[in-house]
Amino acid sequence: QQQVKQSPQSLIVQKGGISIINCAYENTAFDYFPWYQQFPGKGPALLIAIRPDVSEKKEGRFTISFNKSAKQFSLHIMDSQPGDSATYFCAASRYSGGYQKVTFGTGTKLQVIP
Amino acid sequence: DAGVIQSPRHEVTEMGQEVTLRCKPISGHNSLFWYRQTMMRGLELLIYFNNNVPIDDSGMPEDRFSAKMPNASFSTLKIQPSEPRDSAVYFCASSFSGFSVSPLHFGNGTRLTVT
Repeated sequence: QQQVKQSPQSLIVQKGGISIINCAYENTAFDYFPWYQQFPGKGPALLIAIRPDVSEKKEGRFTISFNKSAKQFSLHIMDSQPGDSATYFCAASRYSGGYQKVTFGTGTKLQVIP
Repeated sequence: DAGVIQSPRHEVTEMGQEVTLRCKPISGHNSLFWYRQTMMRGLELLIYFNNNVPIDDSGMPEDRFSAKMPNASFSTLKIQPSEPRDSAVYFCASSFSGFSVSPLHFGNGTRLTVT
């Protein structure tokens, strides 16, 4: 019940295209859904996050779509650029044992080709 | 803000040796996490500290792993004795645990290779 399933494992998109990464969860106690971006040799960094009371959040070219009934959420990267090439992790968190416990998806390696 | 600082960046050691990884969290953050990243298992939470106290160590794989946080600005993760299957990238992350959710701030990790 603590799993967050992420797909695809890897993704190749042409410059200017739309990158879409999907995640699904089981535990309805999750109440915060962040996405992290990781470049090679670096730690993950928060990209964008959403709470389950909204269906969409947009920040620049990055949009999270959230479907509470289906327990699914996705990241859309519009006008994808080579600089977006990185590994993206979806995550879900809930307050448990005195802290916000984060469960990460398995990651999607995105390559944007010119 | 220098971010979360981890050292060393790379560590190569032989099986059976003791390994100590170090972390300096962001000043003012009261929560510290140690994660391990591998291709097979992704990002796994090893241990969580709040106000320098270990709160959840259920992710620590074996007694060979131990972590300490002697003060708010320093934490260590020790593996003794190390084994080849411990090879991974180890991340330290910090955040401020308050009334609202705070994102995790990760360091750049320590890549550990045990031969």
